[in-house]
Amino acid sequence: GQQVMQIPQYQHVQEGEDFTTYCNSSTTLSNIQWYKQRPGGHPVFLIQLVKSGEVKKQKRLTFQFGEAKKNSSLHITATQTTDVGTYFCAGPRGSNSGYALNFGKGTSLLVTP
Amino acid sequence: ETGVTQTPRHLVMGMTNKKSLKCEQHLGHNAMYWYKQSAKKPLELMFVYSLEERVENNSVPSRFSPECPNSSHLFLHLHTLQPEDSALYLCASSQDLGVFGNTIYFGEGSWLTVV
Repeated sequence: GQQVMQIPQYQHVQEGEDFTTYCNSSTTLSNIQWYKQRPGGHPVFLIQLVKSGEVKKQKRLTFQFGEAKKNSSLHITATQTTDVGTYFCAGPRGSNSGYALNFGKGTSLLVTP
Repeated sequence: ETGVTQTPRHLVMGMTNKKSLKCEQHLGHNAMYWYKQSAKKPLELMFVYSLEERVENNSVPSRFSPECPNSSHLFLHLHTLQPEDSALYLCASSQDLGVFGNTIYFGEGSWLTVV
């Protein structure tokens, strides 16, 4: 079945440095979503990408969807301590039961002041 | 406030106990989910319900038994669990299971410890 894989698993940066996490799918995706989970919290929806080659920005966060719709990336410019958490990508399972999401294992970001 | 409420937030149970996790969503959504989150396998999809009908059982052991009495409520009944079942159990909902309605809203989770 469809799987999404994320790299790196962990990333430790100094505040002000940039950060990127990558997501790859074994199959073409109808859309891809990104979620953030703060330590001790629950995953919270960030964004959905639908179109091939789509790029969306949210302040310092830039999300990209690959041309083949099989990969995606999240880039954070000039990280801040508030960016700490685990970032998950998720893609629809595309089974007969609808489009419930499969999540990647996440990238845990630690930002040191 | 996420619109998805889970109780209890923390639960410690013995391997012979029977307990239940409860979830209620106030978002008017038609789909509800149980996810399991542990250190080894983050965010495993366990069950999916759409309009109170179970549409997916993702190879979950029978000691986990879901129940969805209506589109706003979801339960996870627990019976004779194992220590390796200790994890964070997240309830979630989405508008539907369509490709543009599947954005997930998670509850805060129920931390389960099996002793």
